[in-house]
Amino acid sequence: SAVISQKPSRDICQRGTSLTIQCQVDSQVTMMFWYRQQPGQSLTLIATANQGSEATYESGFVIDKFPISRPNLTFSTLTVSNMSPEDSSIYLCSARRLAGGAAGELFFGEGSRLTVL
Amino acid sequence: ILNVEQSPQSLHVQEGDSTNFTCSFPSSNFYALHWYRWETAKSPEALFVMTLNGDEKKKGRISATLNTKEGYSYLYIKGSQPEDSATYLCAFRSNTGKLIFGQGTTLQVKP
Repeated sequence: SAVISQKPSRDICQRGTSLTIQCQVDSQVTMMFWYRQQPGQSLTLIATANQGSEATYESGFVIDKFPISRPNLTFSTLTVSNMSPEDSSIYLCSARRLAGGAAGELFFGEGSRLTVL
Repeated sequence: ILNVEQSPQSLHVQEGDSTNFTCSFPSSNFYALHWYRWETAKSPEALFVMTLNGDEKKKGRISATLNTKEGYSYLYIKGSQPEDSATYLCAFRSNTGKLIFGQGTTLQVKP
């Protein structure tokens, strides 16, 4: 299995500020993703982090609000910009191995629990 | 809109009880069905990835079945233990590539 390190594990942020979450995978993977789980909701895909190019965002998520970087195969960042209380969520980094194919299981980080006051 | 429904939302059982819960998903454009276990303060961990109608998979005391024609999967836990306490997530992957998660079933096993 791949080990995914994600930080920070939790933070309390002020409205209007931005926070960057880092994700490091211990082996080369083909796909990296960022998910969000708002209280009482399902895990929802924010975007697919593409190496060396702009991320692919899901409907309802935009680059200005959630800029994502992936400078190499094993590292990605998600920034939550201009935060409001509605952004209080658990943010999860995940990855899929090349060998797993499209049906392959996802590996997850431990999540970043953000509370916006 | 693709909907993945899990039931029940939460479940409390005594140690030693066997239990099961359900994941319902669209019966069209099926590609794969995933089950994950998410313990508090830990990473979600894959239990099973199922791709064929009629698939049955087992890992220790946990097993799962898949019916793609009617769009449901069951997860069974035999002889529940306190360490089984977690949220169990299912996720449906369509042949368009999207992975859609259900809201999860939270299991609490009392010693």
